[in-house]
Amino acid sequence: DAMVIQNPRYQVTQFGKPVTLSCSQTLNHNVMYWYQQKSSQAPKLLFHYYDKDFNNEADTPDNFQSRRPNTSFCFLDIRSPGLGDAAMYLCATSSRAGQDEQYFGPGTRLTVT
Amino acid sequence: AQRVTQPEKLLSVFKGAPVELKCNYSYSGSPELFWYVQYSRQRLQLLLRHISRESIKGFTADLNKGETSFHLKKPFAQEEDSAMYYCALSGSSRNQFYFGTGTSLTVIP
Repeated sequence: DAMVIQNPRYQVTQFGKPVTLSCSQTLNHNVMYWYQQKSSQAPKLLFHYYDKDFNNEADTPDNFQSRRPNTSFCFLDIRSPGLGDAAMYLCATSSRAGQDEQYFGPGTRLTVT
Repeated sequence: AQRVTQPEKLLSVFKGAPVELKCNYSYSGSPELFWYVQYSRQRLQLLLRHISRESIKGFTADLNKGETSFHLKKPFAQEEDSAMYYCALSGSSRNQFYFGTGTSLTVIP
């Protein structure tokens, strides 16, 4: 089945130790998104790629970076994780930005120790 | 600024009763509104969007621009409707996409 895959499902990292979360898709969608969701809060858009065009939300901390080496893969890099970065990270894709249905991955739960 | 408000964190109804999940939004312009649903142990998925004007799994939602609302309704709730429901807004700029905090619906048998 065409889908959005996130690896790993659970990630534990140490305070200040760089960590990378992965997302891949077989839908051949142009747009890939990264969301952060903390407990009992709304998913918050961090950034998205429209093809190779990177779009950063204004309030996304510099600590968060992203790479999209090709259509299928997108990575979320957290350069120096803090305790406040512990959250569920959701990857999503859509054919076009904004108005199209977004297809979500299962998420990666990040724990910072 | 809070773009999407879902006032109820938790909502319980009996099977067969009508259900309404409230969503209000704040946006100057013409947004697109969506309802996403997350069933237990499943990923977030689209339930419906206002431009489609369709009924999915018996749910409907009408965009009321005067009241800036997009409430989700179903006349007869079923146990399988128990899930987390998120209202979402897409702004005129493709960079703008906002989720509400979600409402957890429990349908009591």
